[in-house]
Amino acid sequence: EAQVTQNPRYLITVTGKKLTVTCSQNMNHEYMSWYRQDPGLGLRQIYYSMNVEVTDKGDVPEGYKVSRKEKRNFPLILESPSPNQTSLYFCASSFTGTGRTEQFFGPGTRLTVL
Amino acid sequence: AQKVTQAQTEISVVEKEDVTLDCVYETRDTTYYLFWYKQPPSGELVFLIRRNSFDEQNEISGRYSWNFQKSTSSFNFTITASQVVDSAVYFCALSEAEDNAGNMLTFGGGTRLMVKP
Repeated sequence: EAQVTQNPRYLITVTGKKLTVTCSQNMNHEYMSWYRQDPGLGLRQIYYSMNVEVTDKGDVPEGYKVSRKEKRNFPLILESPSPNQTSLYFCASSFTGTGRTEQFFGPGTRLTVL
Repeated sequence: AQKVTQAQTEISVVEKEDVTLDCVYETRDTTYYLFWYKQPPSGELVFLIRRNSFDEQNEISGRYSWNFQKSTSSFNFTITASQVVDSAVYFCALSEAEDNAGNMLTFGGGTRLMVKP
């Protein structure tokens, strides 16, 4: 089954404790990205990757890091989480240059930073 | 920069009523794509439709229909004979051909639709 998976689905942590949210897709997509969803703001892009070893900032990259060492995986790293990073996070993937087609979204990761 | 506005933050209707969700967008590009996604209470994002800027034909899919009007920069979504299962948050989104090769989505703030029995 074609899908994007994220882990964990729910996470409660404390300020400053490094964490990683994993994202994996099995569709051989070149493009992957991370969004965060906050009430009234919709989803905003954090980082994206056009292919292996090619990453760039989205609209709200502060406080986040990513890496793309393999095509299928695109982890989101919070080196020192803060309460303002409490949010719902989505990973997405698609083929490159095909904004004309749908993006596949993961199920979401609800993060709470105390 | 591109922008998507969903002015209705919450709509409440009674089952079987028709309801229209508004979406207004801003872009300087002539080539762009518009999307609608549904987010049910379970939280996942469900793709509903994609429309490119060169195709202004309205689309109907069962009880769902979409009205794309470039003259008013709007891409409105109508649910006919609403059902309780339509209760969800609906997002309108835009991608421009030059942003991440057309892959980055700019989302509106979402409209929460509540359909009461």
